Amino acid sequence: DAKTTQPNSMESNEEEPVHLPCNHSTISGTDYIHWYRQLPSQGPEYVIHGLTSNVNNRMASLAIAEDRKSSTLILHRATLRDAAVYYCILRDRGQGWGAQKLVFGQGTRLTINP
Amino acid sequence: ETGVTQTPRHLVMGMTNKKSLKCEQHLGHNAMYWYKQSAKKPLELMFVYSLEERVENNSVPSRFSPECPNSSHLFLHLHTLQPEDSALYLCASSGRVPTDTQYFGPGTRLTVL
Repeated sequence: DAKTTQPNSMESNEEEPVHLPCNHSTISGTDYIHWYRQLPSQGPEYVIHGLTSNVNNRMASLAIAEDRKSSTLILHRATLRDAAVYYCILRDRGQGWGAQKLVFGQGTRLTINP
Repeated sequence: ETGVTQTPRHLVMGMTNKKSLKCEQHLGHNAMYWYKQSAKKPLELMFVYSLEERVENNSVPSRFSPECPNSSHLFLHLHTLQPEDSALYLCASSGRVPTDTQYFGPGTRLTVL
């Protein structure tokens, strides 16, 4: 599985934008970039995913570099509820059960200050 | 709101006990997963079931025994566990398309004395 690199921790203030970086220099052409987050005392939850183009949904935006070797998860206006560990994960879009695996790294622990 | 429920939420057991963790999904999915999250370690995939057939066993010790009687239910039977097995055990479900989102339950916090 291709590896991702994320900062161990980041801190931001409430109601400000947050940019969470992820490096994936060994990404292959068939890898999707997925983001999940884990709130305290909960299981992980899906945030967003993309392949080549930038993506937006109600939770966040995903900006993907042109060479696809890095991406950034953007929370446009952080709230206290966004404090969580954020995981950047590469998933092969091929067939078979190898493609179904989510391989979690250490993620980035995001702290939001009131 | 998660459509994946897990019981019990907390479990304390001795090394000689036998217990079972239960997971139920109400999302119409046909793939289910067990993950283990130990303190200060990343989530580790343990087992994958697709249409009630085990398709992945990620080198998990035999003291952990999964069971998937139907596509909505998943069990993890535990026996003669070790203290180092204390962890958060998470269940997830998804469809069978590789990019399908996995939906996680809240987990069972297991402590082995």
